[in-house]
Amino acid sequence: DTGVSQDPRHKITKRGQNVTFRCDPISEHNRLYWYRQTLGQGPEFLTYFQNEAQLEKSRLLSDRFSAERPKGSFSTLEIQRTEQGDSAMYLCASSFYSIEQFFGPGTRLTVL
Amino acid sequence: EDQVTQSPEALRLQEGESSSLNCSYTVSGLRGLFWYRQDPGKGPEFLFTLYSAGEEKEKERLKATLTKKESFLHITAPKPEDSATYLCAVQITTGANSKLTFGKGITLSVRP
Repeated sequence: DTGVSQDPRHKITKRGQNVTFRCDPISEHNRLYWYRQTLGQGPEFLTYFQNEAQLEKSRLLSDRFSAERPKGSFSTLEIQRTEQGDSAMYLCASSFYSIEQFFGPGTRLTVL
Repeated sequence: EDQVTQSPEALRLQEGESSSLNCSYTVSGLRGLFWYRQDPGKGPEFLFTLYSAGEEKEKERLKATLTKKESFLHITAPKPEDSATYLCAVQITTGANSKLTFGKGITLSVRP
């Protein structure tokens, strides 16, 4: 399968704990995006990378959130000191420049 | 601010009953309009990209059209397997960021 993959698919954590998610994009894609989706809403943009450079972050991305794409391939999204309001589906997508974005299956985060 | 509004929020159809889903947008400059399908608990699946008013694209029972203010997703003779949430998103021309701004989605249920 050559689509976008995300790991883990589900994560349950207690408030205050740190969590890290991983995204592996389609291999030839140079752009990688993170979105967050809550129930009944469309995905909301968080941040994106072109190769290893993080080019934009949404104001939704508080200082508890950090994302990396160290070698321009896979990316990680870390949330520190999780809050119940962080519970959501975290989606990763990739594209070749600004052409169509293809999404992964998402990581469902539940903060207790 | 860029806005995407989808209507209706939910649509229930009988198998074979054709209908249309609406996506209205207000953006500073449209680079592209995207339609995705999302099944429960999964990531969005790419359907279509439309770039200019008057453009149309088709795939099986689905046909997407675009005007300067809105897009329609026409579903002809739907089947129960077409039941899903359909998301519309816009990509703007300003800057290098190719992020997508999504609507809330339309939940389609097709009864056999």
